[in-house]
Amino acid sequence: AQSVTQLGSHVSVSEGALVLLRCNYSSSVPPYLFWYVQYPNQGLQLLLKYTSAATLVKGINGFEAEFKKSETSFHLTKPSAHMSDAAEYFCAVSRTTTSGTYKYIFGTGTRLKVLA
Amino acid sequence: KAGVTQTPRYLIKTRGQQVTLSCSPISGHRSVSWYQQTPGQGLQFLFEYFSETQRNKGNFPGRFSGRQFSNSRSEMNVSTLELGDSALYLCASSPRALEGDPYEQYFGPGTRLTVT
Repeated sequence: AQSVTQLGSHVSVSEGALVLLRCNYSSSVPPYLFWYVQYPNQGLQLLLKYTSAATLVKGINGFEAEFKKSETSFHLTKPSAHMSDAAEYFCAVSRTTTSGTYKYIFGTGTRLKVLA
Repeated sequence: KAGVTQTPRYLIKTRGQQVTLSCSPISGHRSVSWYQQTPGQGLQFLFEYFSETQRNKGNFPGRFSGRQFSNSRSEMNVSTLELGDSALYLCASSPRALEGDPYEQYFGPGTRLTVT
């Protein structure tokens, strides 16, 4: 079964520090991978997506993620955290299942807190 | 383009009642998915509609149903409400046409349902 695991339900960083949010997927074949962000009382917004074109994916708001097949990881990074980055971040994977249906699975989310 | 809109934004219902939530996708998007978000279970997929047909379904009881109209607008209905149905219900639209497309989803702000 395909799944996605986000390590750390809460992450705190100081303003200006590196942001690293971890995501690992389980799949025998590289899936399509996504990172979404959710601000309070809002829906999810796409940050970036991996669809096998390039292993380093750049997204909005200065975020990027690197697909590492050997580690089955798709960690999200940002060189310098800003107060406005405080939100919940979701990693998601999509893949056609063996039964022919299409699944879009979200991780449990990581709440990022940025300290002044 | 206007984003995904959901109505109403907030709703309070009593156990045993039924509720209908509405979603208007981004113009041109024919795929609409629904998710339930709770603190305990995270984001859970309810169902996906494409061109008025349910294409995928999550593991929810039959009390949860949906439909899509010819203009791609979608509604979801929950009958015989239970306390555990209290959640944020998110609608997402997508431009994907074919099963297997590495599609991103565009989310609405959600409907916050409280069951008392």
